[in-house]
Amino acid sequence: KAGVTQTPRYLIKTRGQQVTLSCSPISGHRSVSWYQQTPGQGLQFLFEYFSETQRNKGNFPGRFSGRQFSNSRSEMNVSTLELGDSALYLCASSYRDRVGSAEQFFGPGTRLTVL
Amino acid sequence: TQLLEQSPQFLSIQEGENLTVYCNSSSVFSSLQWYRQEPGEGPVLLVTVVTGGEVKKLKRLTFQFGDARKDSSLHITAAQPGDTGLYLCAGAHNYGQNFVFGPGTRLSVLP
Repeated sequence: KAGVTQTPRYLIKTRGQQVTLSCSPISGHRSVSWYQQTPGQGLQFLFEYFSETQRNKGNFPGRFSGRQFSNSRSEMNVSTLELGDSALYLCASSYRDRVGSAEQFFGPGTRLTVL
Repeated sequence: TQLLEQSPQFLSIQEGENLTVYCNSSSVFSSLQWYRQEPGEGPVLLVTVVTGGEVKKLKRLTFQFGDARKDSSLHITAAQPGDTGLYLCAGAHNYGQNFVFGPGTRLSVLP
């Protein structure tokens, strides 16, 4: 079974630009979560989508948004990029709808650098 | 926001040594997970613990969930260079809620 894939793997942008990151979950997984990982703040939860609906949301500004498509693929968008948005953005998929099952499978991440 | 603390932050040991890393919180978790992350990759789940006092073993790794479900430990026996990585713990307060991650313990096992 193929794992979680994220594209692109690396991205360089300048301040003020916007960026869209893509995540394809494991086949059959309907939950997709996004995380931001930085050396200073660690791994922080951005949001979770389940069946095309945002189910949970972390404490990030409105510049961070996402969506999920009917095939469970998800995109994350960051508008008006700031230097502090430089980070590794991780996507994780899970069944999440099964009682007792909360195992998340992470993709390799997209390394975003904002100049 | 309930925070998870991990200690030590960094650990460098020689191959063959034993080590224990800790994950602590002031809050009760319904479940707690341990992950290992290698450079350039996403975290990989090692174990999930849900019952207070639970002990799980994965080859040379032993995971324990505290009786009060507020803390956990990971013990590695006879560490190998392949154990090198960032060890993250993550806790969820209720089923369906997102997991909160600790800052991690960066382990380096020298040959």
